[in-house]
Amino acid sequence: AQTVTQSQPEMSVQEAETVTLSCTYDTSESNYYLFWYKQPPSRQMILVIRQEAYKQQNATENRFSVNFQKAAKSFSLKISDSQLGDTAMYFCAFMDQTGANNLFFGTGTRLTVIP
Amino acid sequence: DTEVTQTPKHLVMGMTNKKSLKCEQHMGHRAMYWYKQKAKKPPELMFVYSYEKLSINESVPSRFSPECPNSSLLNLHLHALQPEDSALYLCASSQDRGMGLKDTQYFGPGTRLTVL
Repeated sequence: AQTVTQSQPEMSVQEAETVTLSCTYDTSESNYYLFWYKQPPSRQMILVIRQEAYKQQNATENRFSVNFQKAAKSFSLKISDSQLGDTAMYFCAFMDQTGANNLFFGTGTRLTVIP
Repeated sequence: DTEVTQTPKHLVMGMTNKKSLKCEQHMGHRAMYWYKQKAKKPPELMFVYSYEKLSINESVPSRFSPECPNSSLLNLHLHALQPEDSALYLCASSQDRGMGLKDTQYFGPGTRLTVL
């Protein structure tokens, strides 16, 4: 079974600073996708970034980047130049490319950006 | 365009009521999902439709009845709910990449359901 672990229930960061959210996962699969989703107080679950396991290059989307360490089964999210609008719950998620092909979520990290 | 819409935004219902939640997407996605999310918890998968056919039912009670009338529309019919069913109900959709494999899921804004 796939498991996703986010060990930081809450984090805070000063506006304009950089913060890194941690995520580890456990799987016996070799081909899978990893995601970071953001859920602000407005409730909408928004895709932040996606990483395909077969790609060695770390994904980036503007201020958001990941550090994907496949051997260590680690997938951290770095947010640069934090903005007040980044305040949200962040979920790490795993999707295998075989079997049920479902999305497995971690328990989330609540990030607060302090002005 | 990665928009998934859900109506209504909020719903309050009694335990004897019958109501429906609606989800719509026009991205040409052939897989659609219902999730239930309790406060401060991750979403829990309820149902998956693939090419308008129910492919996964995660042991959801029969008081929740999904329906997929066409490739763009997904409904969740509610009847005789319990107060513990109060939650945020999220709809999502994704491309089907063939051979049963799904792609990135895009979520709607959710319906906040309160059962009195």
